[in-house]
Amino acid sequence: EPEVTQTPSHQVTQMGQEVILRCVPISNHLYFYWYRQILGQKVEFLVSFYNNEISEKSEIFDDQFSVERPDGSNFTLKIRSTKLEDSAMYFCASSEAPGLDFGQGTRLTVV
Amino acid sequence: AQSVTQLGSHVSVSEGALVLLRCNYSSSVPPYLFWYVQYPNQGLQLLLKYTSAATLVKGINGFEAEFKKSETSFHLTKPSAHMSDAAEYFCAVSVGGTSYGKLTFGQGTILTVHP
Repeated sequence: EPEVTQTPSHQVTQMGQEVILRCVPISNHLYFYWYRQILGQKVEFLVSFYNNEISEKSEIFDDQFSVERPDGSNFTLKIRSTKLEDSAMYFCASSEAPGLDFGQGTRLTVV
Repeated sequence: AQSVTQLGSHVSVSEGALVLLRCNYSSSVPPYLFWYVQYPNQGLQLLLKYTSAATLVKGINGFEAEFKKSETSFHLTKPSAHMSDAAEYFCAVSVGGTSYGKLTFGQGTILTVHP
């Protein structure tokens, strides 16, 4: 069964460094998403992406965040200058109809 | 704006007992509603969804949920719990249309199943 894959599974970075989280959505899906879950808090929507552009973003998704689909298979989330409060589990998702398919997540730890 | 409240952060049942996980939502427009399950060290897996068709929705692993507009609820049930059902369950809502993927999640309910 096709699935969304995310790499790496765990990333540790120093505060102020740039990180890129990578995702390979399901191949025939057209909508892509990033969500995050800070430890002990709810899963939160960050951004949705369709037709090579952002379709919606939350207030969390400020100028330090960016998304890109650099080729036909990858979908990336870049955090330019990480802060301690960016430590969270980041989930990528894709869909072709209501009901998202989520990846297993990347645990980002900022130290 | 939408919101979801899951009543009970922890639910414990015996194997073979009824599972009932409660979810209430708030939405200014007709909602789409979802239940996801997360097993340890895994991603979120879609259990079932309501998208304005039948109000009783059947999902995977024997779970079902009923959309009750008058009660703004979408409770998840399973007649007989199995040990493998132990996981964290998330209820989520979206507005549908082109924003169907912008989910607002509840805080999650951890289900424990004991022998």
